[in-house]
Amino acid sequence: KQEVTQIPAALSVPEGENLVLNCSFTDSAIYNLQWFRQDPGKGLTSLLLIQSSQREQTSGRLNASLDKSSGRSTLYIAASQPGDSATYLCAVRFSGTYKYIFGTGTRLKVLA
Amino acid sequence: GAGVSQSPRYKVAKRGQDVALRCDPISGHVSLFWYQQALGQGPEFLTYFQNEAQLDKSGLPSDRFFAERPEGSVSTLKIQRTQQEDSAVYLCAIPQLSPGTGELFFGEGSRLTVL
Repeated sequence: KQEVTQIPAALSVPEGENLVLNCSFTDSAIYNLQWFRQDPGKGLTSLLLIQSSQREQTSGRLNASLDKSSGRSTLYIAASQPGDSATYLCAVRFSGTYKYIFGTGTRLKVLA
Repeated sequence: GAGVSQSPRYKVAKRGQDVALRCDPISGHVSLFWYQQALGQGPEFLTYFQNEAQLDKSGLPSDRFFAERPEGSVSTLKIQRTQQEDSAVYLCAIPQLSPGTGELFFGEGSRLTVL
């Protein structure tokens, strides 16, 4: 069964820390992987998309890496800020499918 | 989210009522997804359309759930005889048209509460 898992489920850090969010998936045959941010009561905002052929993508203070062989992706957030507080979701589109399968997310709280 | 409008944003229904949730993507999008997100969980796939064709409805939880996209644009998710376990946020998503990377964009969702 194709599954996506995110660890940790929740994370609380002081402002300014660099942090890593983890996403693992059960099948290395993927089409792409997407990281989202979700604020309470809001929809999902796309952060980064990594295609199967790519190893990483960067946007500002965010860097996402992909290691298909080990079934892992990490989202690195540099110099965290209170405004980064949100739930971060990882979604995988496995090869041969249209749909994205989501992890349960990591709830991040950055303390001022 | 830019490109996808969902309505209503909030819906309260009494158990047993029928509800209809609407997704209105900007024009030109062939593909359209519906997801269900329960409180504290990640979104769960419900169904997928290419134009008016419903290619995958494997995620619909029961035969009380029905989705349509008759003209290949606006889509409606209908839930008949709502139950408390149907309470969730229902999200509509479309993939980026250009450059066609497959990046998925979501609407703000419709939050359904069944009393």
